[in-house]
Amino acid sequence: ELKVEQNPLFLSMQEGKNYTIYCNYSTTSDRLYWYRQDPGKSLESLFVLLSNGAVKQEGRLMASLDTKARLSTLHITAAVHDLSATYFCAVDIWDKIIFGKGTRLHILP
Amino acid sequence: DGGITQSPKYLFRKEGQNVTLSCEQNLNHDAMYWYRQDPGQGLRLIYYSQIVNDFQKGDIAEGYSVSREKKESFPLTVTSAQKNPTAFYLCASGSTAMNTEAFFGQGTRLTVV
Repeated sequence: ELKVEQNPLFLSMQEGKNYTIYCNYSTTSDRLYWYRQDPGKSLESLFVLLSNGAVKQEGRLMASLDTKARLSTLHITAAVHDLSATYFCAVDIWDKIIFGKGTRLHILP
Repeated sequence: DGGITQSPKYLFRKEGQNVTLSCEQNLNHDAMYWYRQDPGQGLRLIYYSQIVNDFQKGDIAEGYSVSREKKESFPLTVTSAQKNPTAFYLCASGSTAMNTEAFFGQGTRLTVV
């Protein structure tokens, strides 16, 4: 059974600080996605990671994928309040996409 | 504009009734998915389909049914057998061949009254 685990599940941090969200998964996959969800809204795609060693960056967010370790990270640099949201990783395997439980990020001014 | 459309946005159902949630996409994606999200929780896969006239159960298929008669459409029926149907339902479409992620509709919030 494919399992996708994120940690931490909740993160409260100060503006200007750096932090990393981790996503571990249990079965080999070369496709991993990161999404953002604001309260009451749908999911917005952030990154698509398609191969071992893939690194993508957009603004203060950077995602990476290590398929050998079955690990992806989402790094936040110099956090700002607008990044407060829930972040999900999702693994694409066997024609289905399985999500982690999400990390609720709260950035304090 | 290309996209994925869910309707209705809000839906109220009486206990014992079946309801159908609509999901349409014009992105020419082969794959479509239905997820359920409970408050403060992650997304759980209900059903998914990779081609027309074929679909597979996800992790929580009991009490739900789907059809895939057209590439563009993947409606979800919440039956009376689903004991706790109140939730936020999200439909997505994607294409492995296009190397894209799954794109999501705006969701349907179903409430049992």
